[in-house]
Amino acid sequence: SQQGEEDPQALSIQEGENATMNCSYKTSINNLQWYRQNSGRGLVHLILIRSNEREKHSGRLRVTLDTSKKSSSLLITASRAADTASYFCATGALAGGGNKLTFGTGTQLKVEL
Amino acid sequence: EAGVAQSPRYKIIEKRQSVAFWCNPISGHATLYWYQQILGQGPKLLIQFQNNGVVDDSQLPKDRFSAERLKGVDSTLKIQPAKLEDSAVYLCASSLEASGYEQYFGPGTRLTVT
Repeated sequence: SQQGEEDPQALSIQEGENATMNCSYKTSINNLQWYRQNSGRGLVHLILIRSNEREKHSGRLRVTLDTSKKSSSLLITASRAADTASYFCATGALAGGGNKLTFGTGTQLKVEL
Repeated sequence: EAGVAQSPRYKIIEKRQSVAFWCNPISGHATLYWYQQILGQGPKLLIQFQNNGVVDDSQLPKDRFSAERLKGVDSTLKIQPAKLEDSAVYLCASSLEASGYEQYFGPGTRLTVT
C-alpha cells in the first residue's frame, strides 16, 4: 500500500521560481526520503531526514519534517528546466533488520523556460 | 562506480507466458530490493534480500512471482504465469547494508503483458 501522498499531483512553474511539494503519511517512521525520477536518469535519491530532525538542506533542496502532523515538505529553490521530473517521498521503517521504504504517489514537476 | 544493472530494458509478452528479469547490484552492496512501479504510481516493494537471504517478501504475490539471489550477488525475478495487471516497470535497487538508508536504483525493466 502507498504510505505517503504527495500534494500537489502536478506542478508547473517558470525557471527561477521556487517549487514546494508536500508529503503526508499515516504511520510512525524512522526516516523520510525524497527521490527524483525522470526518463533520463531513473530514480535517484535526493535527501534523507531522520524522525528526530526537523529540517535538512542540500544545495538547492530544503526538506522539513513534522512528525506531529505526519507531514514533510520539499522545497527546490531557483528551479531549472533540468529539475523537470517526478518527485516521490518515501517513508522508512526499520523492520526485520532492514529499512523498508514505502513510496508515495509522486508530484510531477514541470519547469518551463 | 558502476551502478545497478538490469536486463532486459523492455519486454513484451502475452498473458499466461513466463518472464524473468535480471539484476546486478553495485559491488559490495549486501542488500538488494525488487520494486514494481505501475504507471502513475510510486514504486512498491516486492522483496528485499540481505546477502542471499530474504528479509521481507510480504508484498510478493507468491502464487506467480518468485525471486532468488544466489551467492548473494545477482538476482532474478520471475513471473509465471503473467497477467495483464503485471504490466509495470520492475526496478532493482541495492544498498550497502540492510539498514542503509540510501537506495541506488537501476534503470528498470518495462514489462508489457498483452
